[in-house]
Order: sequence, then C-alpha cells, then structure tokens
Amino acid sequence: GAGVSQTPSNKVTEKGKYVELRCDPISGHTALYWYRQSLGQGPEFLIYFQGTGAADDSGLPNDRFFAVRPEGSVSTLKIQRTERGDSAMYLCASSLMGGRETQYFGPGTRLLVL
Amino acid sequence: KQEVTQIPAALSVPEGENLVLNCSFTDSAIYNLQWFRQDPGKGLTSLLLIQSSQREQTSGRLNASLDKSSGRSTLYIAASQPGDSATYLCAATSGSRLTFGEGTQLTVNP
Repeated sequence: GAGVSQTPSNKVTEKGKYVELRCDPISGHTALYWYRQSLGQGPEFLIYFQGTGAADDSGLPNDRFFAVRPEGSVSTLKIQRTERGDSAMYLCASSLMGGRETQYFGPGTRLLVL
Repeated sequence: KQEVTQIPAALSVPEGENLVLNCSFTDSAIYNLQWFRQDPGKGLTSLLLIQSSQREQTSGRLNASLDKSSGRSTLYIAASQPGDSATYLCAATSGSRLTFGEGTQLTVNP
C-alpha cells in the first residue's frame, strides 16, 4: 500500500512569505506527527495529532507555526512570516493509533527561505 | 527532558566488517526505542523497534539491543556492505513523541 506522502518535495520562498506544507498519512492511521530536521541534526518534534485534534503541540517553536488536520487524514503545516532560520527538512510521520507503535515517515519537504 | 546521544558521529569501515553503533538516553521511562536509516536528502526508514519490555530485536543482518536501566541501545550490523552507507538515527519514544539523537554517518568502503 501507499506510504506517507508529502508535497511539495522542495519549496523555496522569500523571507516574510507564507508557506503551506502538506502531508498525506497512511490510510487508516489515526496518529500524525510533524518533525523538523536541520542540517546535520536529528529530527525535532513539532506537533502530534490524534484524529482531528492536536493532542500535543508543545514542539511548535512560536506562534508563526500552525498545523491543521480538519478531517483526520491530510494535515497541513502552515508557517507565517517565514524567516531564514525556518529553512530545514520538514518530516511527517503517521502511526496506526499512536503511543508505542512504529512511526512511518514520509520523504519530507525541504524548505529554503531566502 | 529526554536527551539522546549517538556515538560515534561518523564511522568509516571496509566492506565485510561487523560494526556497532551506540545510542544513550537520559530518561529510562520510554515506551520503546527505534532505529532508523536516512539516506542523504531523504526521509527516514524504520529498521527496528524494541519495546521497553524487550531486550533485543533482529532483522536480517541487523540486531538492536536495549538496556533501559543503563539508558543504552546498540545497533549491530553484520557483514557490512556499501549499500549500508547512510546515517543511522536512534529515537526514544516517550509520551506522544520521538526524541532523536544526531545520528551516526556510516560509510562502508568497497
């Protein structure tokens, strides 16, 4: 079956612009996660959805970052007033029910803010 | 706050060698420990998941062990091949999130 997909694969934007990154989880997975990975670092947790609700958004760095999952499937990570420091790989993962289960990762979206 | 450390940061070996990658974590209250592989510019591929009640997991040439009391996990790769070249990340699951180490960049030379 299809894995986690993310679009776009690459995004170049200018400082101050708004961007949206999309994640399609594995069908039937109720848990969805966003992580951010800077070059040479491990991924860092941003937010976790269980169904439609954000069960844990404590990893979002500031109020410029927001994520939604309105129908409990596709999720969109939204970044307002982008800054150069937002440049990173944004990874999405899903798992069947969350908690102790394996998280399956998508290929990521590489964001470059000029 | 959970912190995960991986040693070494980089490793270069000749083809055919057996090797061990190390991972340590500060908070032993974890659900499980996962090892991932990441190729350059790509996403993560899950290799092995060890539940907190388990001591080890094996898949093909890979064997991962977990010692919760000492906060350590190791990934053993037998008979390494050039195709094993990648960055290997360990991650501890606590609550709703994975906490990752910075990875070990492995190069297997033909």
